Amino acid sequence: DIQLTQSPSFLSASVGDRVTLTCRASQGISNYLAWFQQKPGKAPKLLIYGASTLQSGVPSRFSGSGSGTEFTLTISSLQPEDFATYYCQQLDSYPPFSFGPGTKVDFK
Amino acid sequence: VQLVQSGGGLEQPGRSLRLSCAGSGFIFGDYAMNWVRQAPGKGLEWVAFISTKDYGGATEYAASVNGRFTISRDDSKNIAYLQLNSLKTEDTAVYYCTRGFLSGSNYRFDYWGQGTLVTVSS
Repeated sequence: DIQLTQSPSFLSASVGDRVTLTCRASQGISNYLAWFQQKPGKAPKLLIYGASTLQSGVPSRFSGSGSGTEFTLTISSLQPEDFATYYCQQLDSYPPFSFGPGTKVDFK
Repeated sequence: VQLVQSGGGLEQPGRSLRLSCAGSGFIFGDYAMNWVRQAPGKGLEWVAFISTKDYGGATEYAASVNGRFTISRDDSKNIAYLQLNSLKTEDTAVYYCTRGFLSGSNYRFDYWGQGTLVTVSS
């Protein structure tokens, strides 16, 4: 099974900060990676698929990049509504459609 | 597009539960469906997948539930189900249904239900 790791586990940031989250896969997954945002008590929300394609309706301050084993999610200017937990997911080799352990973005 | 979940609740170890996920706003039979769960305070865990009838309604399961859970679908009712048998305390989680969308070579879980809590305890 493909394992995903995310770093950092926790990130403290301020409104307006540029934030970069990293997801690493245990083997190459081409660009078959998605990013989700989850707020407490809510279902995950798809942000990015195909490593870099923005899901419809997602603000352009979110961007994704990477291929193979290393991927990044960047928020260009952190907004108050962006404080949440972010998960990556691989869709290259399944089952399982594994998720990373998450990065929690909190107020500094 | 909406996915509305029902079922869940408190059940004893070894017993069974069935979760439902009703889709609307799209042609339900054209999409694969998945279930994903989240234990209290933990991350996301994919649980089960069912393909469309065009792909034979194929199913896949996480190793942790294989042989105990069954995913199914009734396209005439626009509902996906997850039957949870031989429940264990470690099955306690919020369960989400999610639509699987394939465009080109990219597959994604694009819409999610609201989640339903399953608590397994004696």
